[in-house]
Amino acid sequence: EVQLVESGGGLVQPGGSLRLSCAASGFTFNVYNMNWVRQAPGKGLEWLSYISSGSVTIYYADSVKGRFTVSRDNAKNSLYLQMDSLRAEDTAVYYCARGYRSGDLWGQGTLVTVSS
Amino acid sequence: QSALTQPPSASGSLGQSITISCTGTSSDVGGYNYVSWYQQHPGKAPKLMIYEVNKRPSGVPDRFSGSKSGNTASLTVSGLQAEDEADYYCSSYAGSNKYWVFGGGTKLTVL
Repeated sequence: EVQLVESGGGLVQPGGSLRLSCAASGFTFNVYNMNWVRQAPGKGLEWLSYISSGSVTIYYADSVKGRFTVSRDNAKNSLYLQMDSLRAEDTAVYYCARGYRSGDLWGQGTLVTVSS
Repeated sequence: QSALTQPPSASGSLGQSITISCTGTSSDVGGYNYVSWYQQHPGKAPKLMIYEVNKRPSGVPDRFSGSKSGNTASLTVSGLQAEDEADYYCSSYAGSNKYWVFGGGTKLTVL
């Protein structure tokens, strides 16, 4: 089955760190560009980061630049998002999404809650 | 505040057609033919319904269609069905600085 499965979410204190993972299966992961997108409770979608298939090109939204780091391990069919200096406003469901100009495959999301 | 502007809500009766607009600028919607539309049911992940303005992924009913004029894109759902009731988000490529920008979402109610 073609799917993406996120993990690593949870409750973290402000200023803390968390590492999200996205496991890909059912397709050739190493030829696809990948993205992270989040959705705060009751809010809309916000693109966070893009990484090309070979990790050569990486982009970040201004809201997370300098705090979040995207990476991937094509040998493990996995995408990662290292999140540091977390703030209350980072509370959201985090999705990984496959694609270049649009996301044609999304995971089910993992909830990150930043609170003391 | 979202980069793209969508009406917060829309409604239509079973079998009718509805159009949802998505207004951006020449730096996103108007500058690229990379407008996408996503459907999201409560508690579920977004699902791609339209990409590159008017293309449908395999498996998406042809009741869903997309178009663009200038800085405004539109999603039309024809022959509304109960399962079409969901939130719909537009998105556009906006260059390497902003990459993907999204609209605030439109809650579609099927009466």
